[in-house]
Amino acid sequence: ETGVTQTPRHLVMGMTNKKSLKCEQHLGHNAMYWYKQSAKKPLELMFVYSLEERVENNSVPSRFSPECPNSSHLFLHLHTLQPEDSALYLCASSQDWRDGSYNEQFFGPGTRLTVL
Amino acid sequence: GQNIDQPTEMTATEGAIVQINCTYQTSGFNGLFWYQQHAGEAPTFLSYNVLDGLEEKGRFSSFLSRSKGYSYLLLKELQMKDSASYLCAVSRTDSNYQLIWGAGTKLIIKP
Repeated sequence: ETGVTQTPRHLVMGMTNKKSLKCEQHLGHNAMYWYKQSAKKPLELMFVYSLEERVENNSVPSRFSPECPNSSHLFLHLHTLQPEDSALYLCASSQDWRDGSYNEQFFGPGTRLTVL
Repeated sequence: GQNIDQPTEMTATEGAIVQINCTYQTSGFNGLFWYQQHAGEAPTFLSYNVLDGLEEKGRFSSFLSRSKGYSYLLLKELQMKDSASYLCAVSRTDSNYQLIWGAGTKLIIKP
């Protein structure tokens, strides 16, 4: 595997289900991101981890719970979602930006989530 | 507030040239990115500008004017495979260098 991979690619779940999205990066990066992409809207940054520490949590509802067990893996745990949470969820990785260098982000293909 | 604007959709002809504009109003500007995203696929990096001027990379060029809060992506010799969405994003020092994204411009190439 190369780059950033995400599983599953498609997910349909009911409002009472619990599911998890998985992301893995094979680029040796130390920062990982979750984004939500809805049609005709800007990418919304949800969470950022750098060196396995959460550094951003942009007012995301608690029904989304991230987990970063190591610098290569990132999970997004989902429970009691709402239909408006249906979207494409993208994972990305980069080198840590805190030395002032620009953080070119490499994206996975996304998980298309539908909440019924 | 923080704002990034780009046209929603543009149409161009195969072999022609198209310019996609992006204007931004942000504090702590630390560079501007352009990404390409084909339908159903991941966004992929195209260019990064932090200083004023034109950066050329093959058929694609990106321009930045920090004083005007303006950038454009120029695509030459358009090919059908260039049909995609083009995303503009700004990095800001006062948001922990995280990227603020525009909604993207859907480019349709016609034969």
